[in-house]
Amino acid sequence: QKEVEQDPGPLSVPEGAIVSLNCTYSNSAFQYFMWYRQYSRKGPELLMYTYSSGNKEDGRFTAQVDKSSKYISLFIRDSQPSDSATYLCAMSVTGGGNKLTFGTGTQLKVEL
Amino acid sequence: DGGITQSPKYLFRKEGQNVTLSCEQNLNHDAMYWYRQDPGQGLRLIYYSQIVNDFQKGDIAEGYSVSREKKESFPLTVTSAQKNPTAFYLCASSIGGRQDGYTFGSGTRLTVV
Repeated sequence: QKEVEQDPGPLSVPEGAIVSLNCTYSNSAFQYFMWYRQYSRKGPELLMYTYSSGNKEDGRFTAQVDKSSKYISLFIRDSQPSDSATYLCAMSVTGGGNKLTFGTGTQLKVEL
Repeated sequence: DGGITQSPKYLFRKEGQNVTLSCEQNLNHDAMYWYRQDPGQGLRLIYYSQIVNDFQKGDIAEGYSVSREKKESFPLTVTSAQKNPTAFYLCASSIGGRQDGYTFGSGTRLTVV
């Protein structure tokens, strides 16, 4: 079993929909949680960064961490065609040399 | 503008050849990383370096080698011992010494011909 599980999709939604992307993990030592967005044939870019449990909001994006359930989510409000990309979750432990463990990524398509 | 530059964007390798992928950063980051990305498998860590002249193996280091002679540069050599080298290779960097997100390069797609 992988340390981080992520549904690969593809997930197809209409423009304007609320999108929910999720990851589960098995290592209870993970403390730092990130979401990256990757457009086709490009490198990932950091979208959201959260420490420990709780919510963080940035514009149309909200990241949630539930450590008791070992479950993290990324919500995208008012989704746009430009949001079409692969979304990768990543996480790391304290003192782990900043080594990130990535999910496999969820492919999202927002249609007009 | 600061960032990470990977070159070339596309690379073709013949069977039995070694090839070197370039990664340069001008972010003054201490730590650098190499990942391999395959469909359905996400990013897998090949090698990482937290300081000049020091590097550690990641999860899939066999068939790869690296050097870190300068802070700005972290080249990856894919040797003939790597039996399945066709993949998308990503270089990343981070400030180091603290838990931080990575800055990624735009990747190199390596194909064996």
